[in-house]
Amino acid sequence: DQQVKQNSPSLSVQEGRISILNCDYTNSMFDYFLWYKKYPAEGPTFLISISSIKDKNEDGRFTVFLNKSAKHLSLHIVPSQPGDSAVYFCAATSNRDDKIIFGKGTRLHILP
Amino acid sequence: EPEVTQTPSHQVTQMGQEVILRCVPISNHLYFYWYRQILGQKVEFLVSFYNNEISEKSEIFDDQFSVERPDGSNFTLKIRSTKLEDSAMYFCASSVGTDRYTFGSGTRLTVV
Repeated sequence: DQQVKQNSPSLSVQEGRISILNCDYTNSMFDYFLWYKKYPAEGPTFLISISSIKDKNEDGRFTVFLNKSAKHLSLHIVPSQPGDSAVYFCAATSNRDDKIIFGKGTRLHILP
Repeated sequence: EPEVTQTPSHQVTQMGQEVILRCVPISNHLYFYWYRQILGQKVEFLVSFYNNEISEKSEIFDDQFSVERPDGSNFTLKIRSTKLEDSAMYFCASSVGTDRYTFGSGTRLTVV
């Protein structure tokens, strides 16, 4: 059972526009959600997180939105920059368990 | 949906002992990886494995570490003589190509 789903394997966005990366989850026990960015041969790098008691968290160009009723979260990057081209992982965890459950990732291409 | 399975979920070992962390990647995947996350720190890349050999490794992956795919289904990480600083969450991942990873849910290694 894939508890964290990123249904889009890839996404291409023009530089300067908004990138929206989506993630769905099935486990209602998850109470903390994270987005990671990954370059080749490197580990995923933490980007931004959100607690289940919030519906939005913003950090510079990055905003994460959480819709608990739909079990859906999204990462917005605006404006998109060339250095944003990477694989983005959605992940979730609960305070009952120290495991991080990762989605499969979405490759973001920022086009010039 | 296929999953990457890691066993055990938690391993406690004495300093200086050898430990083997086990992973069963998805059967049609070709690339295999180990990552680790020390508590409170970032997820770090350790090693990638393709075509029955290591394709890339990080500075962390020194002579104390080795990987093996002994039987075409398991992918193991061995730490020859564990140190206290090896305590971390170890993640296995596999992929068909070089993105779109499926991560396992991790093995927490505690060295005492």
